[in-house]
Amino acid sequence: QQPVQSPQAVILREGEDAVINCSSSKALYSVHWYRQKHGEAPVFLMILLKGGEQKGHEKISASFNEKKQQSSLYLTASQLSYSGTYFCGTANTGNQFYFGTGTSLTVIP
Amino acid sequence: NAGVTQTPKFQVLKTGQSMTLQCAQDMNHEYMSWYRQDPGMGLRLIHYSVGAGITDQGEVPNGYNVSRSTTEDFPLRLLSAAPSQTSVYFCASSYLGLGEAFFGQGTRLTVV
Repeated sequence: QQPVQSPQAVILREGEDAVINCSSSKALYSVHWYRQKHGEAPVFLMILLKGGEQKGHEKISASFNEKKQQSSLYLTASQLSYSGTYFCGTANTGNQFYFGTGTSLTVIP
Repeated sequence: NAGVTQTPKFQVLKTGQSMTLQCAQDMNHEYMSWYRQDPGMGLRLIHYSVGAGITDQGEVPNGYNVSRSTTEDFPLRLLSAAPSQTSVYFCASSYLGLGEAFFGQGTRLTVV
């Protein structure tokens, strides 16, 4: 039930780009993305409700391919503040909401 | 705005003890849920509720009970704590199951 994320961890230098992928074995009705700083609660970034939908949030955007049951998060021109663990979250028909395994992102100067 | 209030922040239990983690939200959200977070495993759904009087199991419900007597409160009970329940627990709420989830600050539980 839990979606799988890749990569598990990534280290970037400031200004570099990254892509985080989220894949589910179940049909998806929505995809959420969250970021969690160390020792804190996850914080909502964005939600995608339609297949093929792309959304943006500053320099962070995401896409949702409903047919492939996949979503990707794009981080461009990374900043130090982007460091943290990123989770995708997916909902199925049963009102159950599952989070992915997480991707640790570290941005270094 | 208080949002989601989760208590306690830290707790140490002995094996076999019971306790209740409290979760309250003031946003009138129907959907509330409990997750546990373990290193390398992300956030795993324990139990969830779509409204007062309605609860259901997530992917790791064993050893945990929940109830939802009001819209605001969704406590999580550990009936007989085990070392395998050592984890960080998060409560979350959203307007609908598909909406933005708001999280409590988490409870770091250690069972010895």
